[in-house]
Amino acid sequence: DQQVKQNSPSLSVQEGRISILNCDYTNSMFDYFLWYKKYPAEGPTFLISISSIKDKNEDGRFTVFLNKSAKHLSLHIVPSQPGDSAVYFCAALSNTGNQFYFGTGTSLTVIP
Amino acid sequence: GAGVSQSPRYKVAKRGQDVALRCDPISGHVSLFWYQQALGQGPEFLTYFQNEAQLDKSGLPSDRFFAERPEGSVSTLKIQRTQQEDSAVYLCASSSGFNEKLFFGSGTQLSVL
Repeated sequence: DQQVKQNSPSLSVQEGRISILNCDYTNSMFDYFLWYKKYPAEGPTFLISISSIKDKNEDGRFTVFLNKSAKHLSLHIVPSQPGDSAVYFCAALSNTGNQFYFGTGTSLTVIP
Repeated sequence: GAGVSQSPRYKVAKRGQDVALRCDPISGHVSLFWYQQALGQGPEFLTYFQNEAQLDKSGLPSDRFFAERPEGSVSTLKIQRTQQEDSAVYLCASSSGFNEKLFFGSGTQLSVL
């Protein structure tokens, strides 16, 4: 069963506008969440993370929001740039385990 | 090294052949993970090492899969008697400690014909 879900396989956004990528999880023991970005033929690269003690973390154009009651997190990219076009994976770590659980990814296309 | 290095980059195997995939983690990283990523899916956990100890191998899909990290640095994932369903990208990742973010290699794309 998929404990981390990204229900939107793809998203297209105009350059300069906001991109919002969503992620839902089912395991209430998850307490650390990360977003990874992946270009074709490369491994995923770390983008931003958030601990469950926070509800927001910001790093430049990237902000991650966590809603623990809804078991939902989102990644906001503003303003979006063509170089942001990639597949974005949401990942979660349980406070009782050592393996990261990944979603199936959302392919973002930023249109110039 | 500067990053996680994996070799080979691509591997084509005939069904039934044994393969060995290598991972060279970031120097000093104690934690090492192997993930399998099928086309259109997210990475799926295979196994985890802390130094040379394999602490979790719950994700290995069958006893044909075997991983080792004998000196706590380089790791090898071995797949015996490969099957077509083994075709995937195999990702290695390392981290500096428990519950730290993962740094991934570029992966080995395995195709079993």
